[in-house]
Amino acid sequence: DAKTTQPPSMDCAEGRAANLPCNHSTISGNEYVYWYRQIHSQGPQYIIHGLKNNETNEMASLIITEDRKSSTLILPHATLRDTAVYYCIVMSSGTASKLTFGTGTRLQVTL
Amino acid sequence: GAVVSQHPSWVICKSGTSVKIECRSLDFQATTMFWYRQFPKQSLMLMATSNEGSKATYEQGVEKDKFLINHASLTLSTLTVTSAHPEDSSFYICSNDSPSDNEQFFGPGTRLTVL
Repeated sequence: DAKTTQPPSMDCAEGRAANLPCNHSTISGNEYVYWYRQIHSQGPQYIIHGLKNNETNEMASLIITEDRKSSTLILPHATLRDTAVYYCIVMSSGTASKLTFGTGTRLQVTL
Repeated sequence: GAVVSQHPSWVICKSGTSVKIECRSLDFQATTMFWYRQFPKQSLMLMATSNEGSKATYEQGVEKDKFLINHASLTLSTLTVTSAHPEDSSFYICSNDSPSDNEQFFGPGTRLTVL
């Protein structure tokens, strides 16, 4: 699996948009970009994934650059409950795909 | 999405004893499940891939005789930490693979403390 680079930590004021970047310059053509988050002492939670088009769901938006070498996860209106470690992972889609977690970005949402 | 449960949520045991952790896929038949370990302030590390009806596949550096995995049914995988030592104290998390949604669903984790 390709490696990813994320900033170790970010702060965001409650109600503002949180933009979490991820670099994945060695991503291959059949690899997707996945985002998970882990709230303290819980199991990771799936957020969103995409291949090359921008994606949006009820939790977040995913913006992937045209060259696919980087992406940004956007939480449009961050709340205190969004405080967590966010992991960007690139992986081939399909069954039994092993996730390789990097160090992630610790997002702290403040009042 | 699929729901994954783990039992127990936390356990404290004496050094040298064995501990069994259960991972259940509540609404999805999981042919494959994954076991991860997470030490404090570190990321998740994949330990092994649990395959229903066959032997688990262990990642490099993970002792298969120490971490016994059994996946006897499509809804249950168990991880047994044998002869536990304090350095085995960690947060153990399982997940299943949901092919229809291309996402994995994780259990809530089991915190093991070995005294």
